[in-house]
Amino acid sequence: QTVVTQEPSLSVSPGGTVTLTCGLTSGSVSTSYYPSWYQQTPGQAPRTLIYSTNTRSSGVPDRFSGSILGNRAALTITGAQADDESDYYCVLSMGSGIRVFGGGTKLTVL
Amino acid sequence: EVQLLESGGDLLQPGGSLRLSCAASGFTFSKYGMSWVRQAPGKGLEWVSSISGSGTNTYYADSVKGRFTISRDNSKNTLYVQVNSLRAEDTAVYYCARIHQDSFDYWGQGTLVTVSS
Repeated sequence: QTVVTQEPSLSVSPGGTVTLTCGLTSGSVSTSYYPSWYQQTPGQAPRTLIYSTNTRSSGVPDRFSGSILGNRAALTITGAQADDESDYYCVLSMGSGIRVFGGGTKLTVL
Repeated sequence: EVQLLESGGDLLQPGGSLRLSCAASGFTFSKYGMSWVRQAPGKGLEWVSSISGSGTNTYYADSVKGRFTISRDNSKNTLYVQVNSLRAEDTAVYYCARIHQDSFDYWGQGTLVTVSS
């Protein structure tokens, strides 16, 4: 069974740049998987950041960007701010209506 | 303004059943696929099920297939999921989400289902 992988945790300095990735245990992620990214703080519902690989959701600042890097989807945060400290999840569309979340990345800003 | 409001969460015993609802407003409900996503305490997000705008097509995660049934009433702008044969591992906050371009663009605030004897 294919699993969607993410870094369990990452850290970034305020003002710095960090890239979170989303891969597959078997195969490469491409735009055909329509990767999307979500931010969640404790006790809150998820917030949509990026859909269809690189399209920012309404109201999302342009310091968040999505791309394909090598064989993985990527979320890059440029100029990190304290309130970017959150859990981040990617989702891949596996076809036939099936979607799979990655395990999430806990981002620390310090 | 798009709004999604879940309800129906409860404390149930293993083997029990319940129906969760998600009332939608602020958009043409029948034009969008919808999904249920859950999050167990302290764990990550898990896609559970999706349904097409017309209700014709439904999809399930293997972990709930055969026990959960997703449905919708477009005349009431409401999404449902019937959950049967509940297990302890079904304990989670259940979110409904709107599908847009193969992703989830709007989310409800969630409803808590607790399965415990």
